[in-house]
Amino acid sequence: GESVGLHLPTLSVQEGDNSIINCAYSNSASDYFIWYKQESGKGPQFIIDIRSNMDKRQGQRVTVLLNKTVKHLSLQIAATQPGDSAVYFCAELNQAGTALIFGKGTTLSVSS
Amino acid sequence: ETGVTQSPTHLIKTRGQQVTLRCSSQSGHNTVSWYQQALGQGPQFIFQYYREEENGRGNFPPRFSGLQFPNYSSELNVNALELDDSALYLCASSLGGGHRTRDTQYFGPGTRLTVL
Repeated sequence: GESVGLHLPTLSVQEGDNSIINCAYSNSASDYFIWYKQESGKGPQFIIDIRSNMDKRQGQRVTVLLNKTVKHLSLQIAATQPGDSAVYFCAELNQAGTALIFGKGTTLSVSS
Repeated sequence: ETGVTQSPTHLIKTRGQQVTLRCSSQSGHNTVSWYQQALGQGPQFIFQYYREEENGRGNFPPRFSGLQFPNYSSELNVNALELDDSALYLCASSLGGGHRTRDTQYFGPGTRLTVL
């Protein structure tokens, strides 16, 4: 079936450190993945996406890595800032291209 | 900001009542998806509308229904409210729609529904 999960429910880092948030997915046919950031009381905010024909994609201070062999996805945040504190979700698009399937999320806490 | 707006922001209803939530999609987007997010969980897909027709549905009962209008705005209706319907309801708009497209979904701020 289609399911997406995250390895750790919480991650605490110091300001300026690099953060790595991990995600495992179960459907080897999945071909589109998105990372979202959700701050308290707000809707999920798009961070970065990656398609299965890529292994790596970089944005501003963020990098997503996709390892299709082990069905693993990670989000790397460089020089983490207090404003990065939020819940991070990885999501997988279902085969029909309609529904995003979310994991439970990782809460990132950044202390200064 | 994504340009996706939702109303109302908060809503309190009692068990058995009916509720209508509204969503305006981002300019140029013709597809709207609705999600339910329980506290501490990831969003769960309810359904998607593309060009005014339901384009996919998650595991939600028929008392969850929707509409999409010619301007691509959308409504989510929930009948016979239950306590477990208390959640954040999110809508997301995307550019393409239709089967097997791979378009990013951009979320609105959500409507917090409390059922007493």
